[in-house]
Amino acid sequence: EVQLVESGGGLVQPGGSLRLSCLASGFTFNNSWMYWVRQAPGRGLEWVANIKQDGSETYYVDSVKGRFTVSRDNANNLLYLQMNSLRAEDTAVYYCAKAVIDYGDSWFDPWGQGTLVTVSS
Amino acid sequence: SYELTQPPSVSVSPGQTARITCSGDALPKEYAHWYQEKPGQAPVLMIYKDSERPSRIPERFSGSSSGTAVTLTISGVQAEDEAVYYCQSAGSNGTYPVVFGGGTKLTVL
Repeated sequence: EVQLVESGGGLVQPGGSLRLSCLASGFTFNNSWMYWVRQAPGRGLEWVANIKQDGSETYYVDSVKGRFTVSRDNANNLLYLQMNSLRAEDTAVYYCAKAVIDYGDSWFDPWGQGTLVTVSS
Repeated sequence: SYELTQPPSVSVSPGQTARITCSGDALPKEYAHWYQEKPGQAPVLMIYKDSERPSRIPERFSGSSSGTAVTLTISGVQAEDEAVYYCQSAGSNGTYPVVFGGGTKLTVL
């Protein structure tokens, strides 16, 4: 079974840091682009960051550039999101998702169950 | 930035057909994909490449495309189909790899 399991969320003060993890199983992790997508309370889905199979390319939404870092450990099937200088507006459920890529188009299957990050004093 | 537009809500009675639209200027040349999200659960891929359905998804879910809009159709809606549905497509000019619609809450009356 293809599965993604996130961990690492929690309550953090503004300006603080958290590292999210996503453990992948059931597929060849090092063959897949991986994404982080978040959903703020009462809001829609928002792409946050993504990383190439070998980690050589990473991309970020403008609002997190310079504060978040996506990385991966292919030996252990782990995806990470290091979040620094957290702001209240980063409060969201963070999902990791496996990208399916077909001739430059991408969609996501599966998604993890999500981990909640709350930034509040 | 490029946007996908969905109606905030759609309501149907059980057994009826629900249609959820997603519009965007790039949709004539970019595929759209659909996800179902229920409270407390991860999003689930329902339709990819406008009209392809994963084998695990019931046949009552289908997708279509016409011009700048794509449509998710749910035939014979069941109570368990109540959820928020999101469309997703490629982003613009490579800066944003993907973009999501704002989501449509399907209410089964």
